[in-house]
Amino acid sequence: TQLLEQSPQFLSIQEGENLTVYCNSSSVFSSLQWYRQEPGEGPVLLVTVVTGGEVKKLKRLTFQFGDARKDSSLHITAAQPGDTGLYLCAGAPQTGANNLFFGTGTRLTVIP
Amino acid sequence: KAGVTQTPRYLIKTRGQQVTLSCSPISGHRSVSWYQQTPGQGLQFLFEYFSETQRNKGNFPGRFSGRQFSNSRSEMNVSTLELGDSALYLCASSRAWADNEQFFGPGTRLTVL
Repeated sequence: TQLLEQSPQFLSIQEGENLTVYCNSSSVFSSLQWYRQEPGEGPVLLVTVVTGGEVKKLKRLTFQFGDARKDSSLHITAAQPGDTGLYLCAGAPQTGANNLFFGTGTRLTVIP
Repeated sequence: KAGVTQTPRYLIKTRGQQVTLSCSPISGHRSVSWYQQTPGQGLQFLFEYFSETQRNKGNFPGRFSGRQFSNSRSEMNVSTLELGDSALYLCASSRAWADNEQFFGPGTRLTVL
């Protein structure tokens, strides 16, 4: 089993603050995805990173894939209440199979 | 383009019963994966289907099974339900086998009493 540990597990911040969520593993992944999930709904894909060291920006969200493709981070600038949700990282194994290994999740609450 | 649809959205069953969940992937997507999400274990992979064949299977008992039809729609079945099977069952579709960008449906919330 390829475990992905996310930290922090819970995060409650004021609107306008910045935050970083970490996703770490001892395994190497061929790609890594970040999802956001709202209560009662399925995860929504935010980004896929493939190359070690890759950085992708999606408006106020910045995603980075570690050089060794074992870890990733998600940075949110000037958080807004609409960013509230469960953030999940998911790694794709190098075997080429399609079974994603999901992280433990970070529950973010942005207080207006 | 319509997203992944899952039916039913909610289901209540009793121990020992069986259940069938349905998933329609995004049009043009040929791979369907199923996941179980619980508060304690998070999201765990059940199995993946592509071209009507199971390509990969997670670490779940044989009570969990699935199939895929020629139009890429998929069903999963759980027999002899246990209380611990209560979970959100999520279906995800992708364009092809081993295409790691997966798009999830809203899930089916199964409660076993």
